[in-house]
Amino acid sequence: AQTVTQSQPEMSVQEAETVTLSCTYDTSESDYYLFWYKQPPSRQMILVIRQEAYKQQNATENRFSVNFQKAAKSFSLKISDSQLGDAAMYFCAYRRYGGATNKLIFGTGTLLAVQP
Amino acid sequence: DVKVTQSSRYLVKRTGEKVFLECVQDMDHENMFWYRQDPGLGLRLIYFSYDVKMKEKGDIPEGYSVSREKKERFSLILESASTNQTSMYLCASRGETAANEKLFFGSGTQLSVL
Repeated sequence: AQTVTQSQPEMSVQEAETVTLSCTYDTSESDYYLFWYKQPPSRQMILVIRQEAYKQQNATENRFSVNFQKAAKSFSLKISDSQLGDAAMYFCAYRRYGGATNKLIFGTGTLLAVQP
Repeated sequence: DVKVTQSSRYLVKRTGEKVFLECVQDMDHENMFWYRQDPGLGLRLIYFSYDVKMKEKGDIPEGYSVSREKKERFSLILESASTNQTSMYLCASRGETAANEKLFFGSGTQLSVL
């Protein structure tokens, strides 16, 4: 069975600094998708970034980028120039490729605090 | 933009009550999901549906049932609420236009069972 592990329950970063959130996963599949979702205090989960396993290039969305290491089964999220609005719970998630019934498997989350 | 609406933001019920959590999406998505979120456990899938009247058990279906009579609406039912069902419940939907299509989430229902 696939599992997703986030080993950092809480992280803190100074405004304008860079922070990296860790995520590892376990799967025997070769094709899959990885996601980072953000859940601010409003509780609305928002997709931050996604990565297809077959792509070697790391995904980037503005200040958010990932370090995808397929062999190590690692998928970390880097937030550059941190802003107060980045404070949230961040969830790493995995989905097997293909099939309408393939479900999204979430990690336990990392609560990120941004200090002014 | 896609909107997923959950009928209640906060709900307080008594043990043994039958509880209905409603979720409506406005983008004609085929797939809908119910998750519960607990501190230290992340999001766990309760049930999902990939079409009207179709449902599949997720990881923790015990004590829950679902109903999807119309494409836009997916209801989660607690037949006899228990205190261990106190949790945050999140509904989500997803289309199938791309294999890596993202989930759209509602704002959650914080359910307290006393």
